[in-house]
Amino acid sequence: EAGVAQSPRYKIIEKRQSVAFWCNPISGHATLYWYQQILGQGPKLLIQFQNNGVVDDSQLPKDRFSAERLKGVDSTLKIQPAKLEDSAVYLCASSFWDREANTEAFFGQGTRLTVV
Amino acid sequence: GNSVTQMEGPVTLSEEAFLTINCTYTATGYPSLFWYVQYPGEGLQLLLKATKADDKGSNKGFEATYRKETTSFHLEKGSVQVSDSAVYFCALCRQGGSNYKLTFGKGTLLTVNP
Repeated sequence: EAGVAQSPRYKIIEKRQSVAFWCNPISGHATLYWYQQILGQGPKLLIQFQNNGVVDDSQLPKDRFSAERLKGVDSTLKIQPAKLEDSAVYLCASSFWDREANTEAFFGQGTRLTVV
Repeated sequence: GNSVTQMEGPVTLSEEAFLTINCTYTATGYPSLFWYVQYPGEGLQLLLKATKADDKGSNKGFEATYRKETTSFHLEKGSVQVSDSAVYFCALCRQGGSNYKLTFGKGTLLTVNP
């Protein structure tokens, strides 16, 4: 079974530039997550999709971050303009929808962003 | 809101030592509890889970018991190996309305020396 695919693996940009990350979840997974993991901290949820609808984006800095999941499959996360504090690993994860909240989330390897 | 608190690292042990990584949570109702592991250079992967009180999750020699009375889910292993060196994350999943939210602790770095 193919896992969650993310690209690129690494990205270095200057502050105020824009950047986009791509994620292809496991086939059939309705739920897709984007997490931000700053060095030394646990992953923080940025946005959660159920199919192509947003169900939680309460921690997404909407003045600079945007995300979409067209057709309910793959997703892109964009930062424009980037700030130094956006340096982090951006993780994409997906899971089946489970009414009892028991389902495992499968993670991609992440994109390491460095803003200089 | 929901939150997870796990013991600060880093933790350094010798091979075959006993491991405990403490995890406590705050949540309404009955969340599902998870331990995820992140090996160097890899993504997070599920290590074990428990979905109701008194359940014990186990995998690869690791165990954790869902203790509702103490709101805890401590990770234990009787004899660690060098290959267990990784970052361990405690997490909870709580259903809210039409979706559920996976919330992580800050992670604990474990280094096992030969």
